[in-house]
Amino acid sequence: AQSVTQLGSHVSVSEGALVLLRCNYSSSVPPYLFWYVQYPNQGLQLLLKYTSAATLVKGINGFEAEFKKSETSFHLTKPSAHMSDAAEYFCAVSEGSGTYKYIFGTGTRLKVLA
Amino acid sequence: GAVVSQHPSRVICKSGTSVKIECRSLDFQATTMFWYRQFPKQSLMLMATSNEGSKATYEQGVEKDKFLINHASLTLSTLTVTSAHPEDSSFYICSAPTGSEQYFGPGTRLTVT
Repeated sequence: AQSVTQLGSHVSVSEGALVLLRCNYSSSVPPYLFWYVQYPNQGLQLLLKYTSAATLVKGINGFEAEFKKSETSFHLTKPSAHMSDAAEYFCAVSEGSGTYKYIFGTGTRLKVLA
Repeated sequence: GAVVSQHPSRVICKSGTSVKIECRSLDFQATTMFWYRQFPKQSLMLMATSNEGSKATYEQGVEKDKFLINHASLTLSTLTVTSAHPEDSSFYICSAPTGSEQYFGPGTRLTVT
């Protein structure tokens, strides 16, 4: 069975500092991995996805993530945090192409300090 | 990009009544849609897979007689919470895949009083 673990339910960074949100996955098949952002009382917006192509994936709003098979990780980073990045971030895994059942992590709430 | 809408965005109902939530794919057809439930400050839990023209597939532990799903057309799926109780209060989100991506609706906040 697939699973996703997000370390740190809350992360605080100063404006302009590096953002690092951690995600580890478990999958018996080559996974597809996703990062979504959710603002209060809104649905999910896709930040980026890994679909077995390049291991370093660039997304919207300056975010990127690196797929590391040896570490079963897919951590999300952004070089410089902006106040507007404050939100809930979810990592998700699926069993690959054509499978749309996603397993979500428990989420990480990012707080950006002025 | 593709757009998925939900209606209503917020609903308050009394305990024992039923409430229907609509999920629409606005600019694409979706033979499959998904319904998730999100408790406050928690992750999304997949409730069921809605299949156009056939019965929905429910995840383990989800009561199919309480959460009725109807995929009436290629652009509409509905979730009806029957005999709602306060513990059903939650944020319900639908999604629909197209191409290689899945698009999420904005969610419906259900409050049962």
